[in-house]
Amino acid sequence: EAQVTQNPRYLITVTGKKLTVTCSQNMNHEYMSWYRQDPGLGLRQIYYSMNVEVTDKGDVPEGYKVSRKEKRNFPLILESPSPNQTSLYFCASSLEGSLGQYFGPGTRLTVT
Amino acid sequence: AQKVTQAQTEISVVEKEDVTLDCVYETRDTTYYLFWYKQPPSGELVFLIRRNSFDEQNEISGRYSWNFQKSTSSFNFTITASQVVDSAVYFCASGTGANNLFFGTGTRLTVIP
Repeated sequence: EAQVTQNPRYLITVTGKKLTVTCSQNMNHEYMSWYRQDPGLGLRQIYYSMNVEVTDKGDVPEGYKVSRKEKRNFPLILESPSPNQTSLYFCASSLEGSLGQYFGPGTRLTVT
Repeated sequence: AQKVTQAQTEISVVEKEDVTLDCVYETRDTTYYLFWYKQPPSGELVFLIRRNSFDEQNEISGRYSWNFQKSTSSFNFTITASQVVDSAVYFCASGTGANNLFFGTGTRLTVIP
C-alpha cells in the first residue's frame, strides 16, 4: 500500500530535549516536505527536499533541521524544542513538485 | 509571495444541500498550481484535485466540482447533495510547486444529518 508514515504519532516532551520525528514514504517520490498546522494559520511549510541531499527552507524553518540521506526518509529534527513548537506536524511527498502530495498521518507534538 | 484566502471559517449545511467553499489566491507567477485537500475528523490530509494555471476548464468528479476563474483569482469547490461524510476541514493551496506552496487557513464544513 502506497503510504507516508510518521513516528511517533504523539509526543509530549520538555523544553530543550532534542527529538526527531521520522518520515518515510514507499512510493519512490522525489519531493518531500514538512509542514506544521496551527489553529487559524493553516499549514505552513517548514522544509522541503527535492531529492537526496537536496533540502531547502520553507516559510517557518527556525528551530528545525532536516536531512535527506535516503530517498524514502526525511526526518525532522528539533535540536532544542520550545513551547512555541507545540503543533501538529505533517510530512508529505510527491512524485514531482507540481503534483498533489501524499500526507502522513500527522504527529502531535507538545513541548512543556 | 503567494497568498490564499479562505474567507469562510466555518459552514454548516443540512444533508443533501449543495455547498460552495470559496478560495481566492494571489500570485505574480504566470505558471502556478491550485489544489484542494480534505482533512476529515480523523486528521489525515487527503489530496482532492490539482489544477494548473493554463487550464481553466471546470472539473466534476461525482458530487464534487471545481470552478477555476483566473479573472477573479478564484478556485471554488462545490459539493452537491452533501453527505455527513463530507464533514471535514477543506484546505485550498496555491503555488509554483512543492517548494513554494501556500495553504489557506481552511474551511470547516459540518453537514448536519
